[in-house]
Amino acid sequence: SQQGEEDPQALSIQEGENATMNCSYKTSINNLQWYRQNSGRGLVHLILIRSNEREKHSGRLRVTLDTSKKSSSLLITASRAADTASYFCATPPSGGSYIPTFGRGTSLIVHP
Amino acid sequence: KAGVTQTPRYLIKTRGQQVTLSCSPISGHRSVSWYQQTPGQGLQFLFEYFSETQRNKGNFPGRFSGRQFSNSRSEMNVSTLELGDSALYLCASSLDRVEETQYFGPGTRLLVL
Repeated sequence: SQQGEEDPQALSIQEGENATMNCSYKTSINNLQWYRQNSGRGLVHLILIRSNEREKHSGRLRVTLDTSKKSSSLLITASRAADTASYFCATPPSGGSYIPTFGRGTSLIVHP
Repeated sequence: KAGVTQTPRYLIKTRGQQVTLSCSPISGHRSVSWYQQTPGQGLQFLFEYFSETQRNKGNFPGRFSGRQFSNSRSEMNVSTLELGDSALYLCASSLDRVEETQYFGPGTRLLVL
């Protein structure tokens, strides 16, 4: 089973609106990473939040981590058409070996 | 610093053939991982190499193999190609461990006819 699962599967919003997507995981983690993938291209790292951090910002991105609920959220504020992409989370566990797994991602469409 | 590069970017092969894909990691990165991405299965981990040794392996048949050279460049090989091997193959590098931030290349799109 997947360690990290993103939801919703799809999100459609208008330019200027905020977009929120979530990642849930099953075991204790070392860190949690968010990636973006534009259609048919490689993944781009967006932000890494460590297990002892609760919130992190990078430009228009805000990531929160709730280790008690084993979940994270990625907020994109004032979205732009260029934010249209799929978003994935990676959740390396805090112990044991790590086989990187990604969920199906959240497909975000931002309409101009 | 230059990013992760992958060659070739596109490839068309026929069933039964074999293919070799190449990946050059970011300078100084020693961990190189390979992934297969298909619409049906999503993004799946193939294997990770570190210091010329396979350190981690996903659940793929032995037809999928790889290697890493002393300069950290890596190649992956798929023998006896099947139609289902059509996919986007992504390479990613990280400084030392796959648990750290990974930097992905643009991918090689393989079509098997």
